[in-house]
Amino acid sequence: QVQLVQSGAEVKKPGASMKISCETSGYTFIAYYIYWVRQAPGQGLEWMGISNPSGGSPRYAQKFQGRVTMTSDTSTNTVYMEMSSLTSEDTAVYYCARWTYYLDYWGQGTLVTVSS
Amino acid sequence: NFMLTQPHSVSESPGKTVTISCTRSSGSIATAYVQWYQQRPGSSPTTVIYEDKQKPSGVPDRFSGSIDRSSNSASLTISGLKPEDEADYYCQSSDGGDRVFGGGTKLTVL
Repeated sequence: QVQLVQSGAEVKKPGASMKISCETSGYTFIAYYIYWVRQAPGQGLEWMGISNPSGGSPRYAQKFQGRVTMTSDTSTNTVYMEMSSLTSEDTAVYYCARWTYYLDYWGQGTLVTVSS
Repeated sequence: NFMLTQPHSVSESPGKTVTISCTRSSGSIATAYVQWYQQRPGSSPTTVIYEDKQKPSGVPDRFSGSIDRSSNSASLTISGLKPEDEADYYCQSSDGGDRVFGGGTKLTVL
């Protein structure tokens, strides 16, 4: 069965970087794009970008360009999302999700807390 | 970029029908498909409608989606409301290669 399993919660200091993993299984890894979406506490969903595990260029939301990097590892079927220069406004749950004609499978979410 | 505007909250009684709107601020709503996501408290979102009106397998027929060019909006309609429908609902569309989410609507089933 298709699964997207994300790495565990993290606490980061302002100015630090974070790297979240999204380990996939149960399907052909390179055949599907992976979306990254975040949700600040009590807030709505925010699209961050799209990772192309087949090796194509990722696409980032303008808001995160220059600060976020999405990569993939075909040897472990894992997608990574790295973000630098964290501030308290980056405190959120970060989700990965597989795209077919829609987002059909989601990870469980990774809580990242940015606090001094 | 455009914005997608949703009502902050709606409420209705079990068994009734509710419609949640999603209004596009600029450009035609028909320019790009609209998806709808349901998010129950403490859970990851799930897709209930994609490509304006299509339903993923497993989504009850009580859920339906549509677009209205005259009001430049999309709508999610849930009929025969059940307590388990109580959740946040988000619309989402595309602006070129970018994706845009609405602000979300909290549905309360009284």
